[in-house]
Amino acid sequence: AQTVTQSQPEMSVQEAETVTLSCTYDTSESDYYLFWYKQPPSRQMILVIRQEAYKQQNATENRFSVNFQKAAKSFSLKISDSQLGDAAMYFCAPMDSNYQLIWGAGTKLIIKP
Amino acid sequence: DTGVSQNPRHKITKRGQNVTFRCDPISEHNRLYWYRQTLGQGPEFLTYFQNEAQLEKSRLLSDRFSAERPKGSFSTLEIQRTEQGDSAMYLCASRGQGGEKLFFGSGTQLSVL
Repeated sequence: AQTVTQSQPEMSVQEAETVTLSCTYDTSESDYYLFWYKQPPSRQMILVIRQEAYKQQNATENRFSVNFQKAAKSFSLKISDSQLGDAAMYFCAPMDSNYQLIWGAGTKLIIKP
Repeated sequence: DTGVSQNPRHKITKRGQNVTFRCDPISEHNRLYWYRQTLGQGPEFLTYFQNEAQLEKSRLLSDRFSAERPKGSFSTLEIQRTEQGDSAMYLCASRGQGGEKLFFGSGTQLSVL
C-alpha cells in the first residue's frame, strides 16, 4: 500500500521568515501528481501547489515552492515570507494511478507574530 | 463558479438517528468524492462517483453508509443508525474530466451524542 510520511507533527516560524515542511512517500508509480493542501481552522481544504512527477522543474506558486526529489521520494514544501494567514494544517498528498489522493497525517504550522 | 457546496455545515444528532448530507460539486465536474476526517488526521477516502456511477467504495464504508448521485450532479451521503464513532468532518470534493486537481467543499461536521 502507498504511504505518506509527514515527520513533523508541528512546526513554528516567525512571521516573514521561511519554513520548510517535509514529506516522504512510497509509490510504485512512475508518473503521478503530488499536491500540498492547507486546512486552516475553518477546515476548508485548499490546494496550495501541484507537482507533476515527470517534470524535473520544481513547482512554484508565489511564496510557495516545492523541492521534489523523485528518486528519494521526497516532496517538501517551502513557504517564504511567512504570513499570519499561512497558519494551518498542511497535508502532503500524492495521487495514485486511479487519481486517488494518498494523505499524510499533516503538519500543523504556527506563525509567530 | 461558486465552488463545491456542502450542506449542512454542522449536524448534531442522537445515536441511532439517520442523517443525510448533500454535496453540490462544481458544475462542470463529473467526478465526485466523499472523505471522512477526524481531528488531527488526514482525510480518509469513502467513495467516488464518475457521473452517476459509484465506481469505488472504501472498506470503511459500512452497510450503514450509502451514497448516491442520481443525476450525475449533486450527491447525498446517508448514515443510518448513527454511532458515536461516526462523529467526524465529512468532506466532498470534485474534479473535472481530464483534470487532476480536487476542489473541496467546506465540509459537514457531524456530532453524534
